Amino acid sequence: AQSVTQPDIHITVSEGASLELRCNYSYGATPYLFWYVQSPGQGLQLLLKYFSGDTLVQGIKGFEAEFKRSQSSFNLRKPSVHWSDAAEYFCAVGVMNRDDKIIFGKGTRLHILP
Amino acid sequence: DARVTQTPRHKVTEMGQEVTMRCQPILGHNTVFWYRQTMMQGLELLAYFRNRAPLDDSGMPKDRFSAEMPDATLATLKIQPSEPRDSAVYFCASGLVLSGSNYEQYFGPGTRLTVT
Repeated sequence: AQSVTQPDIHITVSEGASLELRCNYSYGATPYLFWYVQSPGQGLQLLLKYFSGDTLVQGIKGFEAEFKRSQSSFNLRKPSVHWSDAAEYFCAVGVMNRDDKIIFGKGTRLHILP
Repeated sequence: DARVTQTPRHKVTEMGQEVTMRCQPILGHNTVFWYRQTMMQGLELLAYFRNRAPLDDSGMPKDRFSAEMPDATLATLKIQPSEPRDSAVYFCASGLVLSGSNYEQYFGPGTRLTVT
């Protein structure tokens, strides 16, 4: 069965610094990969997705992620974080044509230092 | 701007009472998912529907939880009787799944349930 691991429960970065959130998945074939963000008291919002093609995908709010098949990873990056980026970030994996489910990681909470 | 809507946004109830949460998926979407989020367990999938048919409810406690889609514009999640351990945020999400095409899930704002 597919699974998603986000090794970092909490990450703290200074405003203006670069960010990388790690995500590893487990699945035998090419999965569909997602990053969602959840601000306090809100639902999950899709940041970006990878289905096929270019392994570097651009998302909203200046985020990008790179799919690396050899490392089974889909890390999220942003060159310069803003205080408003403080939130919880979820990596997720899905498999088309098997079922419609998306499996979510446990999340990484991002804290921003002024 | 199409959105998933959920009502109520907050619900406080006493143990033993029935709770009904409602979700209006995005018009045209053919899948609906119910999730529960707690600090301890994170995001758990409770049940989901495709074209209004329940496909998987293995994540749901069968004795007290039930999920239905009476029509394409309404999904409900019912807890009867409610217990304090049901306190959580319940999210509904919808998506459009077509054979061979891409898909993603769009989440509603959630219902925060507190059972005392």
